[in-house]
Amino acid sequence: DTGVSQDPRHKITKRGQNVTFRCDPISEHNRLYWYRQTLGQGPEFLTYFQNEAQLEKSRLLSDRFSAERPKGSFSTLEIQRTEQGDSAMYLCASSLSGQGEDGYTFGSGTRLTVV
Amino acid sequence: DQQVKQNSPSLSVQEGRISILNCDYTNSMFDYFLWYKKYPAEGPTFLISISSIKDKNEDGRFTVFLNKSAKHLSLHIVPSQPGDSAVYFCAALDAGGTSYGKLTFGQGTILTVHP
Repeated sequence: DTGVSQDPRHKITKRGQNVTFRCDPISEHNRLYWYRQTLGQGPEFLTYFQNEAQLEKSRLLSDRFSAERPKGSFSTLEIQRTEQGDSAMYLCASSLSGQGEDGYTFGSGTRLTVV
Repeated sequence: DQQVKQNSPSLSVQEGRISILNCDYTNSMFDYFLWYKKYPAEGPTFLISISSIKDKNEDGRFTVFLNKSAKHLSLHIVPSQPGDSAVYFCAALDAGGTSYGKLTFGQGTILTVHP
């Protein structure tokens, strides 16, 4: 297993365009999280899946954001009508238990730049 | 409301000496505390965690201390090595209820270890 994979690593898009990111978690992990990190800040929680069910969404996730995890495997995060304020690193993490001892494995992230 | 705070934006240490990174929190419901290390353009890498029922956890050169009464934890790195230079994030986990195991991160501390 190669850990959590995210694609693409970098994305530059024009304001108003739609973008989609993909996350492939560790195969046996049933919990998947999306976070967003801006410069000088720690990662902020966006949304959480247990298997295919999206159980929680942060108020940071406006209606322009949508996430899916079909079949409880990979997940996608789509941003519609991108704004410059969406520029950030988008991180995906997966976990088996949701407890602290397994550390939550993060992917390398997708760096989004909206111009 | 910043529930997890790292008040030192940066720390500079000589190789071989001890690095002490600090973290304060406000939510007494947190069950686990985790430390992550992050290099530029990569996702956070899990270092060490501690349960709220313990006051110390050690793993090689890394030791985390938890003072629940003060709502304070610290990460000690001994001896510090130049390869430890990175951003260190403190994170807290409320494993119960409707929090679904999501992590709340501090702002990070940039550690620089000089040869």
